[in-house]
Amino acid sequence: EAGVTQFPSHSVIEKGQTVTLRCDPISGHDNLYWYRRVMGKEIKFLLHFVKESKQDESGMPNNRFLAERTGGTYSTLKVQPAELEDSGVYFCASSQGEAEHSPLHFGNGTRLTVT
Amino acid sequence: AQTVTQSQPEMSVQEAETVTLSCTYDTSESDYYLFWYKQPPSRQMILVIRQEAYKQQNATENRFSVNFQKAAKSFSLKISDSQLGDAAMYFCAYRTPLGEGAQKLVFGQGTRLTINP
Repeated sequence: EAGVTQFPSHSVIEKGQTVTLRCDPISGHDNLYWYRRVMGKEIKFLLHFVKESKQDESGMPNNRFLAERTGGTYSTLKVQPAELEDSGVYFCASSQGEAEHSPLHFGNGTRLTVT
Repeated sequence: AQTVTQSQPEMSVQEAETVTLSCTYDTSESDYYLFWYKQPPSRQMILVIRQEAYKQQNATENRFSVNFQKAAKSFSLKISDSQLGDAAMYFCAYRTPLGEGAQKLVFGQGTRLTINP
């Protein structure tokens, strides 16, 4: 089966611009998660979708970040306007059931650089 | 809130030797899950090993084993007979089993492991 796919793999944008990251989970996985690793620090949870619904978005840093999962398939994470501190690696993960019973499958991540 | 600390930003080991990566965590819960994930360069992060806190026996997966010390809140990963393919960033992670936050992983800062041929 195809794994979790993230696009683009790298993105370099200027402060104030908009960037949209995309995640295609494994087919049939209802649960989709976004995480972020700021340079040299720990990976932090951003939010969790169950199908198209946001189950938990407590990790979203501020209202410049907007995540969507229309139709419960792929998800996008938009940053608008981007700030320097948004630089980092954004990971997407999916699982078939709830995390307790189903392992998380991660994508390769999108490395975002804001200059 | 739970926290996970990996105090070794970088480690290196000679091929075929054994290396131990450290991880400590802070929690007030008695039941939880602990994980080690591995991310090779430019590749996906994958699960290496998982430990349930209620189990006293340390988890093992082939050359990978953990030393779980619940009282000390320590969860180290031992890699035996290190191979070149073990070179990666290793992340320790914690998860609450139930209730609020149960779907989130709390990660440490990561340890970059280099294998010297």
